[in-house]
Amino acid sequence: GIQVEQSPPDLILQEGANSTLRCNFSDSVNNLQWFHQNPWGQLINLFYIPSGTKQNGRLSATTVATERYSLLYISSSQTTDSGVYFCAVEREETSGSRLTFGEGTQLTVNP
Amino acid sequence: DTEVTQTPKHLVMGMTNKKSLKCEQHMGHRAMYWYKQKAKKPPELMFVYSYEKLSINESVPSRFSPECPNSSLLNLHLHALQPEDSALYLCASSHHRGWSTEAFFGQGTRLTVV
Repeated sequence: GIQVEQSPPDLILQEGANSTLRCNFSDSVNNLQWFHQNPWGQLINLFYIPSGTKQNGRLSATTVATERYSLLYISSSQTTDSGVYFCAVEREETSGSRLTFGEGTQLTVNP
Repeated sequence: DTEVTQTPKHLVMGMTNKKSLKCEQHMGHRAMYWYKQKAKKPPELMFVYSYEKLSINESVPSRFSPECPNSSLLNLHLHALQPEDSALYLCASSHHRGWSTEAFFGQGTRLTVV
């Protein structure tokens, strides 16, 4: 099956710092999503980004599908940004679509 | 509305109990999913329903029995579970292929098997 690798696995920042999270995937995919999982387990959609660049406030993401990677940028980090960030890729198969998740990046933002 | 609603939020059950997890969406999505997430691990796919038919079963033990009674509802029936089945169970939905297949997740059911 497809492999999804996220880096770094852990990241500790001071409030106000910027960061870049990376997602590499091993095969062509139909789509890619970035999620933030909060401490209560809710997976919050950040970006649906099969290719190109999107921005939403302090967050932005870029996917270069031909080179099989995606980047999530967090600027001016806040303590509420803490949590686990997952990249998930979708492959469409004859039996249906499936999302495969990376192992995640655990982000801690200290005040 | 991009909401997927799961009930209950928490569930404690004994190994001889029978219980059900419920999931509901009203976004007109025709693909619905069950994922299982253990602590400090990513979600793992269990089942996929497309147009109310089971299309993917990731070799899940038969003590987990999914059901899709209509296009808005997805159930997961639990019977004779083991303590190692304790996990966060997440439901998701998306449009079927050919549309934007962005997946939306519910808040999960945190299951403890005692």
